[in-house]
Amino acid sequence: QKEVEQDPGPLSVPEGAIVSLNCTYSNSAFQYFMWYRQYSRKGPELLMYTYSSGNKEDGRFTAQVDKSSKYISLFIRDSQPSDSATYLCAMSPTGGGNKLTFGTGTQLKVEL
Amino acid sequence: DTAVSQTPKYLVTQMGNDKSIKCEQNLGHDTMYWYKQDSKKFLKIMFSYNNKELIINETVPNRFSPKSPDKAHLNLHINSLELGDSAVYFCASSPPGRRSYEQYFGPGTRLTVT
Repeated sequence: QKEVEQDPGPLSVPEGAIVSLNCTYSNSAFQYFMWYRQYSRKGPELLMYTYSSGNKEDGRFTAQVDKSSKYISLFIRDSQPSDSATYLCAMSPTGGGNKLTFGTGTQLKVEL
Repeated sequence: DTAVSQTPKYLVTQMGNDKSIKCEQNLGHDTMYWYKQDSKKFLKIMFSYNNKELIINETVPNRFSPKSPDKAHLNLHINSLELGDSAVYFCASSPPGRRSYEQYFGPGTRLTVT
């Protein structure tokens, strides 16, 4: 079993929909939680970054961390075709240096 | 004004050959990384250097040897290439301290071994 599990999709939604992307993890030492967006044939880019539990909002994006359930989510409001990409969750333990453990990514397609 | 750059972008080579991938960052970061992304998009860390010093070395065959001539550059040399080495290799860098979890990736090098 992988340390971080993520539904690979693909997930197809109409423009304007609310999208929910999720990851579960098994390592209770994880304290830092990131979401990266990767467009086709490009490198991942950092989208959101959260430390420990709670919510964080940035424009149309909201990241949620529930450490008790070992579950993190990324919500995208008013989704746009330009949001079509693969979304990768990543995690790291406190004191674990800079080693990130990634999920396998969820492919999202937002259709007109 | 590219932040993290890699060369080459594509690399097609035969089994048994030796090849190198170069990476440079102009963000002033202290830490650089090499990741491998397989055909299923799974991204896994291979190495990390902080100020030219190796700090993370995952279970990678010793055919892979990273080299950091200075903190802005991290190269990856691969000896005796195998079919299973075909993947996209990403270089990344991160700032020091508490923001070291924010990693900035290059565009990737797509390696195909035939």
